[in-house]
Parts: sequence; C-alpha cells; structure tokens
Amino acid sequence: EIVLTQSPATLSLSPGERATLSCRASQSISDYLAWYQQKPGQAPRLLIYDASYRATGIPARFSGSGSGTDFTLTISSLQPEDFGVYYCQQRSTWPFNFGPGTKVDIK
Amino acid sequence: QVQLVQSGAEVKKPGASVEVSCKASGYTFSNYGISWVRQVPGQGPEWMGWISAYNSNTNYAQKFQDRVTLSTDTSTDTAYMELRSLTSDDTAVYYCARDPGTRVFTYWGQGTLVTVSS
Repeated sequence: EIVLTQSPATLSLSPGERATLSCRASQSISDYLAWYQQKPGQAPRLLIYDASYRATGIPARFSGSGSGTDFTLTISSLQPEDFGVYYCQQRSTWPFNFGPGTKVDIK
Repeated sequence: QVQLVQSGAEVKKPGASVEVSCKASGYTFSNYGISWVRQVPGQGPEWMGWISAYNSNTNYAQKFQDRVTLSTDTSTDTAYMELRSLTSDDTAVYYCARDPGTRVFTYWGQGTLVTVSS
C-alpha cells in the first residue's frame, strides 16, 4: 500500500502570504495525485488533479506541481476563504488513499 | 447541477449494520460510478470502495472487503453502502462521491455521520 506523508502538519500564515504544502508518496505514483480542501462540517473540495490540473472553478492562485514521489500545492496569495485542511490523494494504486492533511490557519 | 444527497445521521450499537443512501441528480446516473469515502473525526479521508452504476461492478479496499456491500438502484438513481459488524472504530462521517472510474472526486454528498455506541 502506498503511504502519503504531508508536511507541515500545520501552517500558520497571514492573508496575502504564499503557502507551500508538500505531499510525499512512499513509491512512485507518476502524476496521479489530487489535492482537496476541506472546511469544518463540509465535504472535501477538489482543487487539483493529476498533479497540476486545476479543477473547474478553482482560482488561479492555486497551483500544483511534482511527479513521482514529491508533490507541492502552492497558494500564491492566501485569501481569508483559503483557511482549512488540505489533503492529497493518490489514484495510482489500489487502495486510493489520502494523506493525513495540512491545516492552514490564520497567524 | 450535479447533486448527491445522502441519508441522515445514524446511531448504532456495536455488532449492528448500517445502510447509507446517496441519491444522485443532475446527470445520467448510469454513466458514472460512485465511490464511498469515510472520515473518522480528526483524521484524513479513507477510500472504502467503488461501484459502477452501469454494470454494478465493484472494487473494495481490502480493509473493508469482508464487511461492506455497495449497491445501486438505477430506477431511483440511488447508491447504497452497507457496513456490517460495526465497532466504535467505525464512528465516522461517510461520504459518497461521483467517480467515473478515475478516482478523481469532483462531486460529493454532504456526508452522513454514523455513531457506534453501546
């Protein structure tokens, strides 16, 4: 089973700052990685799929990069509505698991 | 617009079974599958399994294979997830998500809280 590790566990930033979130896979998953945002009491929201493709309606300040085992989600300028928990998820190999998450909160 | 509406919260005793429903609208149900994902409070989501609404083919995570059954009813555009032999470790929010077989989850239900307690 592929294990996804996310870092940091928590990121404390101010609005307008740049956020860089990391996801590492225990073995190569090519570019089969997605990123989701979740807010309390809500379902996850798809942001990025296949490492770098923004989902429909996702603002351009969200970008994804990486391939193989190392991936990055970048939020170029944090907006107040961007605070929440971010999860990566691999779809390369069954079972199609998620990482433990990075919480982005207000500094 | 695509919508997935799940059934309401459940409270179950250990050893019991639970069935959660997920009614789809806004798209042709049989053209897509449904994945089920659960989330224990404070943890990341966990993929449980997938069912094709076209031919009812299924694919389960090994962890749940012996205890979960996924099904669909194309006459009502509804998917179902049954989980048996519940323990307190199964207390979680259960989500359905539209999945064309790619395991990219664009549309999600609102979640159903299942609480297992004696």
